[in-house]
Amino acid sequence: NAGVTQTPKFRILKIGQSMTLQCTQDMNHNYMYWYRQDPGMGLKLIYYSVGAGITDKGEVPNGYNVSRSTTEDFPLRLELAAPSQTSVYFCASSSGTGLAEAFFGQGTRLTVV
Amino acid sequence: AQSVAQPEDQVNVAEGNPLTVKCTYSVSGNPYLFWYVQYPNRGLQFLLKYITGDNLVKGSYGFEAEFNKSQTSFHLKKPSALVSDSALYFCAVTQDTGRRALTFGSGTRLQVQP
Repeated sequence: NAGVTQTPKFRILKIGQSMTLQCTQDMNHNYMYWYRQDPGMGLKLIYYSVGAGITDKGEVPNGYNVSRSTTEDFPLRLELAAPSQTSVYFCASSSGTGLAEAFFGQGTRLTVV
Repeated sequence: AQSVAQPEDQVNVAEGNPLTVKCTYSVSGNPYLFWYVQYPNRGLQFLLKYITGDNLVKGSYGFEAEFNKSQTSFHLKKPSALVSDSALYFCAVTQDTGRRALTFGSGTRLQVQP
């Protein structure tokens, strides 16, 4: 069972560069989420999606973009990377009700220098 | 708006002793509460959830949590701690309206000493 797969696991970006964090799930879940985890701050919601073609902003969306063209994939795009985006990024998915438990990927550790 | 508070950054307990990790929440509607555990360099793993029904919820690895509506709390408990329980624990809440995305607490590091 693959579950939620994130790539890459680690990345170093220079200020102003762009990149896409990939996320794919094989559980046919409608709900998908992107969180960032900063030390001592818990997880903050960046964007979420309730199904293909539908996305919406979370608590900290500035500097990020998402798309959801298929049920399986939910990539997160960073434009013009800034040091404040240094964090660990987690993708998660949950079943159609949105009240079921979320399954998390292993995370992407991003450093912007 | 919804929020979660985990008042303790770290909890230390001796192996074999009972453990409690505290969580309080705030929501405008009916709360749906979750506990997750994170081991080093890993994603979060689901432990247990409260949706409705019995206030005492049993989950994975011998953990349980008690929902207390009057105190708006959802404390995580285990009768006998193991060294392997040492990890970072997150409480999370959502509700039955709105985006249904989880709002997480800041996490509590559990350290179980042998």
